[in-house]
Amino acid sequence: DAMVIQNPRYQVTQFGKPVTLSCSQTLNHNVMYWYQQKSSQAPKLLFHYYDKDFNNEADTPDNFQSRRPNTSFCFLDIRSPGLGDAAMYLCATSRDSSMEQFFGPGTRLTVL
Amino acid sequence: LAKTTQPISMDSYEGQEVNITCSHNNIATNDYITWYQQFPSQGPRFIIQGYKTKVKNEVASLFIPADRKSSTLSLPRVSLSDTAVYYCLEGNSGYALNFGKGTSLLVTP
Repeated sequence: DAMVIQNPRYQVTQFGKPVTLSCSQTLNHNVMYWYQQKSSQAPKLLFHYYDKDFNNEADTPDNFQSRRPNTSFCFLDIRSPGLGDAAMYLCATSRDSSMEQFFGPGTRLTVL
Repeated sequence: LAKTTQPISMDSYEGQEVNITCSHNNIATNDYITWYQQFPSQGPRFIIQGYKTKVKNEVASLFIPADRKSSTLSLPRVSLSDTAVYYCLEGNSGYALNFGKGTSLLVTP
């Protein structure tokens, strides 16, 4: 089945230690998104890629970066995680600007 | 800020039909209404989308009246596994999905 895969499902890092989360897709969608979801809150869009074009949300902290080396893969880099960055990070894909997005299972990040 | 308003929570018994209303008084002409479902510790899942009148699929029905200021998501004969958060979104682009607070649905035996 075509799907969105996120690895790892659970990630523990130390305060200030860089961490990378990965996402891959077999849907061949041209748009990939990263969302942050904190406990009991709604998902919040961090940025998205339309093909290789990177689009950052205005309020996404500089601490968050992303890379998309090819259509299938996208990475979220958190350069210096703080305690406030503990959250579920969700990757999603879509075809063009469709509001039908396909989400992965998420990576739960813990910052110690 | 989310453009939609929906109840924070709802309770239902198994086997009942559940109707979740969503208010979007200032919906733009080009905007659609899209609903997502999210189970605990999982990513959201697209359920249904509509512009006007009624749309139905194997999971749910969506009714949007002519004035488009509100919409109703109907889940027929819910089961325990329908316990989830349901998000109503207004927009026409996936580049700016605004999930809002959602409705937490609890289904009990």
